[in-house]
Amino acid sequence: EDQVTQSPEALRLQEGESSSLNCSYTVSGLRGLFWYRQDPGKGPEFLFTLYSAGEEKEKERLKATLTKKESFLHITAPKPEDSATYLCAVQSGNTPLVFGKGTRLSVIA
Amino acid sequence: DGGITQSPKYLFRKEGQNVTLSCEQNLNHDAMYWYRQDPGQGLRLIYYSQIVNDFQKGDIAEGYSVSREKKESFPLTVTSAQKNPTAFYLCASTLKTSRAYNEQFFGPGTRLTVL
Repeated sequence: EDQVTQSPEALRLQEGESSSLNCSYTVSGLRGLFWYRQDPGKGPEFLFTLYSAGEEKEKERLKATLTKKESFLHITAPKPEDSATYLCAVQSGNTPLVFGKGTRLSVIA
Repeated sequence: DGGITQSPKYLFRKEGQNVTLSCEQNLNHDAMYWYRQDPGQGLRLIYYSQIVNDFQKGDIAEGYSVSREKKESFPLTVTSAQKNPTAFYLCASTLKTSRAYNEQFFGPGTRLTVL
């Protein structure tokens, strides 16, 4: 059974304090790993797709990386507007995505 | 504008009532999904449909029903058999390509409260 574990559950950062969120996964044949951002009371917003180990993608202050066992979402010099819950999901074969429970990020000015 | 719409945004249900949540997409996506989100639980899959007139149960299908009569529409009915329906419901869709299924795009959600 595919499983996704995100850590930490919650993270509090000062503005400008860089850090990383972790997504560990076990799947039988990874087809893709997905990162989403979710603001309170809203639907998740797609950020990145990673398909193979060693792949990296960047968007503004966010950078996602992938190994054979985990993915990291690096946040460089975060701002208060980066505060949100970040969700990780994996896909194997033709099955639907399996989501982790998310990391709740708070960035304090 | 292409996207996914869900209605209503807020819905209140009395015990014993069935209610239907609407989900429409104009992205020409093949597959559509319904998730339930509770605090601290992440997203749990209720039902999904990969093609018109076909759908599959997800992890928590009991007490829910769906239909897929049109490619762009995937309504979810929360029946009286669902004992704890208060939650945030999210609809998503994805385009099927040679990579199987690509990233899912989500609607804005419907918050259902049982009175």
